Amino acid sequence: DVKVTQSSRYLVKRTGEKVFLECVQDMDHENMFWYRQDPGLGLRLIYFSYDVKMKEKGDIPEGYSVSREKKERFSLILESASTNQTSMYLCASSERREKLFFGSGTQLSVL
Amino acid sequence: GDSVTQMEGPVTLSEEACLTINCTYTATGYPSLFWYVQYPGEGLQLLLKATKADDKGSNKGFEATYRKETTSFHLEKGSVQVSDSAVYFCALTPNTGNQFYFGTGTSLTVIP
Repeated sequence: DVKVTQSSRYLVKRTGEKVFLECVQDMDHENMFWYRQDPGLGLRLIYFSYDVKMKEKGDIPEGYSVSREKKERFSLILESASTNQTSMYLCASSERREKLFFGSGTQLSVL
Repeated sequence: GDSVTQMEGPVTLSEEACLTINCTYTATGYPSLFWYVQYPGEGLQLLLKATKADDKGSNKGFEATYRKETTSFHLEKGSVQVSDSAVYFCALTPNTGNQFYFGTGTSLTVIP
C-alpha cells in the first residue's frame, strides 16, 4: 500500500528553536507538498517541490524553508519557530496531476 | 488566480438524511476536481474525482458532477451514516502545473 510518512505525530517546541519536519514517500512521486491546516482556513500551501533540489514557494512561505536532497524525502524547516506557527502540518505527494497522497500530519505546538 | 469556495459548516445531520455540500471553483481552462475527506485524527484521503466536464465521480455512496457551466462540483449523498462524520474538502488542480488548491473544508457530524 502506498505511504507518506511524517516523522512525528505531535511535537512541542519553544519559541526561537529551529524545527525540522520530515516527510518520506515510497511511491517514487515527482511532486511533494507541505501544507498547514488551521481551523476556518483550510489547507494552505507552504512549499512544493517537483523534482530533487527543486522547490517553489506556495501561498505562505514566510518563516519556512524546505529541503529535497532525495526524491523520497521532503523536509520542512522552521528557522526560528514562533507561536503563530502552531498548527497541523500535512505532507503530501503526487504524480503529476493525479491525486494527492497525504501523511497523517504533525501537530506542532510552539510555546 | 485559481481557487475553490465551499460551503461553510459545521453541518449536523441525522442518520439517513440527505447531504449536499456546495463547491464552486475559479480556474482557467479545464481543471481536475476532487473531494477529499479527513476522518478524525487522520490525514486527508481522496474520496472522488472528475477530470472533465459532465464527468461524475462516485465512491462510498457519495457523488459529485463536474459542471462547467456553473463552475460547480457539489458533493451529495442520499443517506448519510454516523461513519460519514468527517471534514470534507473540495479541491482542484489546473490543467497546467502541478499545484492543488483546496477549499476551507466543511465539517459534517451525523447523529444516530
